[in-house]
Amino acid sequence: SQQGEEDPQALSIQEGENATMNCSYKTSINNLQWYRQNSGRGLVHLILIRSNEREKHSGRLRVTLDTSKKSSSLLITASRAADTASYFCATKSNFGNEKLTFGTGTRLTIIP
Amino acid sequence: GAGVSQSPRYKVAKRGQDVALRCDPISGHVSLFWYQQALGQGPEFLTYFQNEAQLDKSGLPSDRFFAERPEGSVSTLKIQRTQQEDSAVYLCASSALRSEQFFGPGTRLTVL
Repeated sequence: SQQGEEDPQALSIQEGENATMNCSYKTSINNLQWYRQNSGRGLVHLILIRSNEREKHSGRLRVTLDTSKKSSSLLITASRAADTASYFCATKSNFGNEKLTFGTGTRLTIIP
Repeated sequence: GAGVSQSPRYKVAKRGQDVALRCDPISGHVSLFWYQQALGQGPEFLTYFQNEAQLDKSGLPSDRFFAERPEGSVSTLKIQRTQQEDSAVYLCASSALRSEQFFGPGTRLTVL
């Protein structure tokens, strides 16, 4: 079963605007990762944040993690049409298991 | 190629047929994972190999699902007596030990 929930389920914004999506999870984690999935293509790893980190940046991406609230957010700044995709958070547990537990995803549409 | 490859990319099966899905991981990657992604959902973990050892098969939905990785490289996911609820995209991922997972493009299985 899925652990995480993403919010919103779908988001449409104008090109150039910022997009923020949120993820909540239920159990203790080792790290949290964000993935992008385009139609018909595989998952692409975007960024990883460890449980002892609070914020991380990579290019136009900014991720925050609040372990007390069991939540994370992904901010994409200055959005581009090519950012149109589904975005998933995925957690790796603290219990030595290597598997990832994915959220339900946010469908992001960038309007040119 | 340098990435994870999967074959076939698309598979249509009649209910009751057996299917076999293949995954070629990135060369040298110790860990291999199978996930199932239903339409509009995030991927769900099926099983995990470290080299040829299947360390976790807790996500396999029934005894009709079987996975193997006999030489610690290529893996096959077999589904016996397919049912309509097996229709999904099956994703394979590989990684170095305790490292980022790289996903293949997936096999879209449709059971009629």
